[in-house]
Amino acid sequence: TQLLEQSPQFLSIQEGENLTVYCNSSSVFSSLQWYRQEPGEGPVLLVTVVTGGEVKKLKRLTFQFGDARKDSSLHITAAQPGDTGLYLCAGAGRNSGTYKYIFGTGTRLKVLA
Amino acid sequence: GAGVSQSPSNKVTEKGKDVELRCDPISGHTALYWYRQSLGQGLEFLIYFQGNSAPDKSGLPSDRFSAERTGGSVSTLTIQRTQQEDSAVYLCASSSIAGAFFGQGTRLTVV
Repeated sequence: TQLLEQSPQFLSIQEGENLTVYCNSSSVFSSLQWYRQEPGEGPVLLVTVVTGGEVKKLKRLTFQFGDARKDSSLHITAAQPGDTGLYLCAGAGRNSGTYKYIFGTGTRLKVLA
Repeated sequence: GAGVSQSPSNKVTEKGKDVELRCDPISGHTALYWYRQSLGQGLEFLIYFQGNSAPDKSGLPSDRFSAERTGGSVSTLTIQRTQQEDSAVYLCASSSIAGAFFGQGTRLTVV
């Protein structure tokens, strides 16, 4: 069974601080996605990384896929209260010619003004 | 449709009643997932449909829960004899190689 573990589970920081969220697995994924979920909403796709070692930036967010495509990190620079939410990673694995997504346990981030 | 659509958005039901939750996936997506999210928690996998293959039901918490997907498109999640611990947000997602895309969820409250 493929599992994705995220750490930390909870994070409360002050506005302006930097943070990193980790997503780890013993399985290799074809691609990995990061999502953010705000209260009362469904998770929204932020980014997809496909190549081992790939780095993508989305404003103050930097996403990296591990060289072996088993892990990923999300780094937020100068966090703002608007970054508050649940961050989820999901790995896509090949399953009989199709892709099946496995979701991580989530990191709940709270940024205090 | 343009996105994943779930209905109803909110459902309040009495303990012991049956409920049906509906999911309309993105057109052309062959994979469909149901997840449950309790207040302040992450996603709990319930069931996965892929094309015409037998669904992966390994996440269904009890035999009161069932789901079907008709014609490879719309899916319904049915909870029989609801209990208070079934109260949660039920999220549906469909996926392609570009990613998994979620609906807004159905908030179920069992009173």
